[in-house]
Amino acid sequence: EAQVTQNPRYLITVTGKKLTVTCSQNMNHEYMSWYRQDPGLGLRQIYYSMNVEVTDKGDVPEGYKVSRKEKRNFPLILESPSPNQTSLYFCASSAFIAGEAYNEQFFGPGTRLTVL
Amino acid sequence: AQKITQTQPGMFVQEKEAVTLDCTYDTSDPSYGLFWYKQPSSGEMIFLIYQGSYDQQNATEGRYSLNFQKARKSANLVISASQLGDSAMYFCAMREGWDNAGKSTFGDGTTLTVKP
Repeated sequence: EAQVTQNPRYLITVTGKKLTVTCSQNMNHEYMSWYRQDPGLGLRQIYYSMNVEVTDKGDVPEGYKVSRKEKRNFPLILESPSPNQTSLYFCASSAFIAGEAYNEQFFGPGTRLTVL
Repeated sequence: AQKITQTQPGMFVQEKEAVTLDCTYDTSDPSYGLFWYKQPSSGEMIFLIYQGSYDQQNATEGRYSLNFQKARKSANLVISASQLGDSAMYFCAMREGWDNAGKSTFGDGTTLTVKP
């Protein structure tokens, strides 16, 4: 089954304790992205990657790191989490076909993070 | 910088009637894609419909259609024959670039409630 998986789905942690949220897709997609969703707000893009070793900042990259060493994986790293990073996080992927304009994003189920 | 505006925080519609959800956008990139997603209370993101900036005709997908007015920079979602299962949050989103592989921006969403 084609899917984007995220782990963990729920996480409660404390300020300053480094954590990693994993994201993996099995569709051989080139493009992957991380978003956060806060109450009353839409999704805001944190980082995106157009291929292995190619990443770029979205609108809210501060406090986050990413890496893209393999095509299928795109982990989100919080080196020193703070309470304002409490949010619902989504990973997404899409194909990147040159000259093809229609590239729908497929979303993971979300990770609900609470930082105390 | 690209921006998506959804001016209706909440909408109500009677079952079996049509409803229009508004979306306006702003971008300096001549090539972009516009997407609508549905997020039910369970939290997953469900792709509904796509419109490319160079598409001449309005996109349609079953009961969903996109009223694309490029000069006015609007991309309204029309849901025909509303069903109770349509009650959800709806997000308008835009991706930059011909291949839609650039930055992605979402609106704040519209909560649609379908009344029986």
